[in-house]
Amino acid sequence: AQSVSQHNHHVILSEAASLELGCNYSYGGTVNLFWYVQYPGQHLQLLLKYFSGDPLVKGIKGFEAEFIKSKFSFNLRKPSVQWSDTAEYFCAVNHFSSGSARQLTFGSGTQLTVLP
Amino acid sequence: EAGVAQSPRYKIIEKRQSVAFWCNPISGHATLYWYQQILGQGPKLLIQFQNNGVVDDSQLPKDRFSAERLKGVDSTLKIQPAKLEDSAVYLCASSLGASGRQTQYFGPGTRLLVL
Repeated sequence: AQSVSQHNHHVILSEAASLELGCNYSYGGTVNLFWYVQYPGQHLQLLLKYFSGDPLVKGIKGFEAEFIKSKFSFNLRKPSVQWSDTAEYFCAVNHFSSGSARQLTFGSGTQLTVLP
Repeated sequence: EAGVAQSPRYKIIEKRQSVAFWCNPISGHATLYWYQQILGQGPKLLIQFQNNGVVDDSQLPKDRFSAERLKGVDSTLKIQPAKLEDSAVYLCASSLGASGRQTQYFGPGTRLLVL
């Protein structure tokens, strides 16, 4: 079945460690890729997005993601995490659903805990 | 700029009862979405409106769920009758348009518990 997969359900890091969260999708055709973040007690908000062009895209708060078309992957990275990065991170893929409508499908999320 | 507003924030009902959720999108946003987020999962699209018309309701359980967006602004999502498996957070989101490149802005959600 077509899906968005986030293989890491819970990641625990110490401050200043590097972060990489995996995201793989199985949709063909033209897709638009997003990472959303939900900080404790807050709404889901956009972290970064990729449509076309340079496969390395930069987002807010020092996050970046790399699109690798051949691997159907869109991994999220940050060179040095901070305690304030503790949150749940969702990968999402915008693709065609039934008919001509486009739909945003989310992965199951990765809970990141950064220890001070 | 005001964000997406939702009410109520929490709701507890017994199975077979009915419940309704309300959403007010960001002003000027033509596209409105309802998502269901079950614990431990990502949000799943239930229905998408473009102004007051339905664009995609392929994942809406139409035997018990209904939604409307009168006048192309506010929207309500109703469940009747509720089942235990409907316990979830119901998220409303809005965007300027339905293009696949539009950022969706999410509300705080309504947490529903069905006993």
